[in-house]
Order: sequence, then C-alpha cells, then structure tokens
Amino acid sequence: NAGVMQNPRHLVRRRGQEARLRCSPMKGHSHVYWYRQLPEEGLKFMVYLQKENIIDESGMPKERFSAEFPKEGPSILRIQQVVRGDSAAYFCASSPSTDRVNTEAFFGQGTRLTVV
Amino acid sequence: KQEVTQIPAALSVPEGENLVLNCSFTDSAIYNLQWFRQDPGKGLTSLLLIQSSQREQTSGRLNASLDKSSGRSTLYIAASQPGDSATYLCAVPSGGYNKLIFGAGTRLAVHP
Repeated sequence: NAGVMQNPRHLVRRRGQEARLRCSPMKGHSHVYWYRQLPEEGLKFMVYLQKENIIDESGMPKERFSAEFPKEGPSILRIQQVVRGDSAAYFCASSPSTDRVNTEAFFGQGTRLTVV
Repeated sequence: KQEVTQIPAALSVPEGENLVLNCSFTDSAIYNLQWFRQDPGKGLTSLLLIQSSQREQTSGRLNASLDKSSGRSTLYIAASQPGDSATYLCAVPSGGYNKLIFGAGTRLAVHP
C-alpha cells in the first residue's frame, strides 16, 4: 500500500505564475488535509476535503488559493499569482475516516515551493 | 481555541542519554494526541498515537504518555542515538475531525 504521494517534490515559480500541487491519498482514504509550513515556523492547517467536497477551508487565505478533490484523480492545491511569501513546504495528509478516537494521519513528503 | 506548546525548542545531547520531550495543550477535550518525527527537508513520520482513554503508548525505544486533565504529553526516548536527530512534533485534532493543531516542535541533535 503506497503512502501519501505528493508531486512535484520541488517547484520553482516566478512571481505572478500559478502553482499546482498534487496529492494522492493512501489507498482507501477519502479524507485529505493540506498544511503549510513556512520557513522556521510550525505546520498550519489550510483545508480539509472529502471527495468532491470542501469541508473546512478556515486556514486557507481568502484570495489566490483554492483546493479541490475530484471524484477521480488527486487532490489539487492551486495558488494563483504567487508571491514570495508563498514560498513554503506544503504537506498533504490523508486519513481513512473521521473516527476521532483512533484515526491516524499519514503525511506525504511535501512539495517545497520557491517563488523567485 | 486549542494551542499546543512544546518545550524545549531545541535539545543537544550526547549519544546514549535518555530524553524527555514535553508537549502541552490548552483544551483538554481531545480525542487523541499524535507524535511525529520530521527530518530536514522531509515529510512527517507518525511515531505514536495515544487515544484519549490511554495513559501511554510504546514503540521500541519510544514511550509517550498522556495526562488529559493536566493538558500534557511527554515523549520519552531511551538510549538516544545519532539517528534520532530530527524535529519532533506533537499534534491534537480539532474541529471534530482530523484537523491537526501542531506544536512548534523540539529540534533534537544527538551527537556521537
């Protein structure tokens, strides 16, 4: 059973370009969470998605950022018109259910976005 | 609002020492607590998950304890090795699902 797969691992974008980050959850997992880790800071929740639905986007910046998890294919985190402050590591996690008591989150290796 | 704090922020020890890393949380109504390891430039590896009904969980040289009433968890590493050098993060779920609130981490360096 492959783990959570994120690609690309490293992404360089010029200011004003778009960045697309992809996340394929573990097999059988239908819940995806995106987190951002700014340089020298902790991980911060961005958005929680189930298949075709955004459940909680309270941590996502209101502008330029969007996320989707289509019925088929990976989850996509999209950043439009990137700025230098978007440079960070973006991590995706998946879990099999919303059983609060015994749900372990499994993380991907992350995508390191650098805006130049 | 749940807040998670980890102490110390950094720790440097000689190989072979036993270590205790601390994690505290402000809202004791948690369902579980998870400890992770993060190597530089890498993703997060889950180490231990303690359910709210448990007092401790063990995996190899790692032992994590949980005291919900006082809002604390500790990660005990026995006989530390240079390969244990990494950042250790604790996290608790919030919002009724697996939306994790992370501490800032403890950066551990074990030198030979």
